[in-house]
Amino acid sequence: SAVISQKPSRDICQRGTSLTIQCQVDSQVTMMFWYRQQPGQSLTLIATANQGSEATYESGFVIDKFPISRPNLTFSTLTVSNMSPEDSSIYLCSVAGRGATNEKLFFGSGTQLSVL
Amino acid sequence: QKEVEQNSGPLSVPEGAIASLNCTYSDRVSQSFFWYRQYSGKSPELIMSIYSNGDKEDGRFTAQLNKASQYVSLLIRDSQPSDSATYLCAVRDTGGFKTIFGAGTRLFVKA
Repeated sequence: SAVISQKPSRDICQRGTSLTIQCQVDSQVTMMFWYRQQPGQSLTLIATANQGSEATYESGFVIDKFPISRPNLTFSTLTVSNMSPEDSSIYLCSVAGRGATNEKLFFGSGTQLSVL
Repeated sequence: QKEVEQNSGPLSVPEGAIASLNCTYSDRVSQSFFWYRQYSGKSPELIMSIYSNGDKEDGRFTAQLNKASQYVSLLIRDSQPSDSATYLCAVRDTGGFKTIFGAGTRLFVKA
């Protein structure tokens, strides 16, 4: 398993501002995943972040809105830019397990974002 | 668009009963299937994985897979109030490294 520290745990932001979410893992991992979970909904993958390359975004998500950094194998950030109330959601970072568990996901504690 | 479908519930069962949660998936060649449990206000945690047709048991949990029917289920025996949570069915995308989640089924176990 992996221990993932994510912060902030929650924030209330004004429309038009940006928020950067940080995710720190206790071990080196190749891929980190950023998910969004809107109220009452399931998890939707935003992008996959690999160290040393640009993130791969899923359909409906663009780099200008959700820029991601991955400076090393234990850390990543997701920025939610120019926020609107529709961005109110829980944002989760996750990593895959190692070795035989590499298809299983471990999640950070999440960031609950409210945009006014 | 690859999809994972679940009945959103809520599913309510009495304490001690068997809870049965179901899931279907659209990608016929999927090979890896997972059940995650998510308590209210918490992050998902993996409780079961299954890769082969048939049953896989782990304590009170049994995962069932039928690839011909593209169907995955989770049985919880002797349900406890502490099992009350949302259960997310997830399928590993065969084309890459991402995991696709269903909408989740809310389970309530009544004491």
